[in-house]
Amino acid sequence: QVQLVESGGGVVQPGESLRLSCVASRFIFDTYGMHWVRQAPGKGLEWVAVISYDGSKRDYADSVKGRFTISRDNSKNTLYLEMSGLRVDDTAIYYCARDWTDYTVDVWGRGTTVNVSS
Amino acid sequence: QTVVTQEPSLTVSPGGTVTLTCASSTGAVTSDYYPSWFQQKPGQAPRALFYSTTKKYFRTPARFSGSLLGGKAALTLSSVQPEDEADYYCLLYFGGIWVFGGGTKLTVL
Repeated sequence: QVQLVESGGGVVQPGESLRLSCVASRFIFDTYGMHWVRQAPGKGLEWVAVISYDGSKRDYADSVKGRFTISRDNSKNTLYLEMSGLRVDDTAIYYCARDWTDYTVDVWGRGTTVNVSS
Repeated sequence: QTVVTQEPSLTVSPGGTVTLTCASSTGAVTSDYYPSWFQQKPGQAPRALFYSTTKKYFRTPARFSGSLLGGKAALTLSSVQPEDEADYYCLLYFGGIWVFGGGTKLTVL
């Protein structure tokens, strides 16, 4: 079935950078928008960013605007999240999710964990 | 900053009915916010239940329903089963950005 697999998480110090990846399979990747959503330990879901199917349009939550960049490589069926200036409160599981009709997401990956700690 | 509010926790008896709600700090939630709902069990990724207020995914149990109720989006679970115990999140669209509610922890007891 449709699958999303995230990778790239790890432990970093405040101020450092990290790039997350999400490889998609079993659907036509370049016809769907894609999102990143995160979940801090023991907390709720927070929408992070979205990118259109062709990469021409991107939007971000205020909490990450100017620090995170969402991008995609449709030739590799891969979504990215470039994170810079990381802060302790960016610590979370980061999920990629497929954009679905009527402004929602339907399929989720299992997530990759980012831990920002000094 | 837009805030989406859900009940932090609810408890329901097996076989009972419970309604979870989703409110917006901007005012009444309407279909223009395209409310959607997700279920998350411990250690798992969220699972989509509803989109566009009432539209159900094919795996969503028939005893679940989505609606608008008193200016909020609502998720009603009928004939609640023990396996329905989970965290439930709503998601609203605000024209280019999306905001999740804080989540409702549903206990079946």
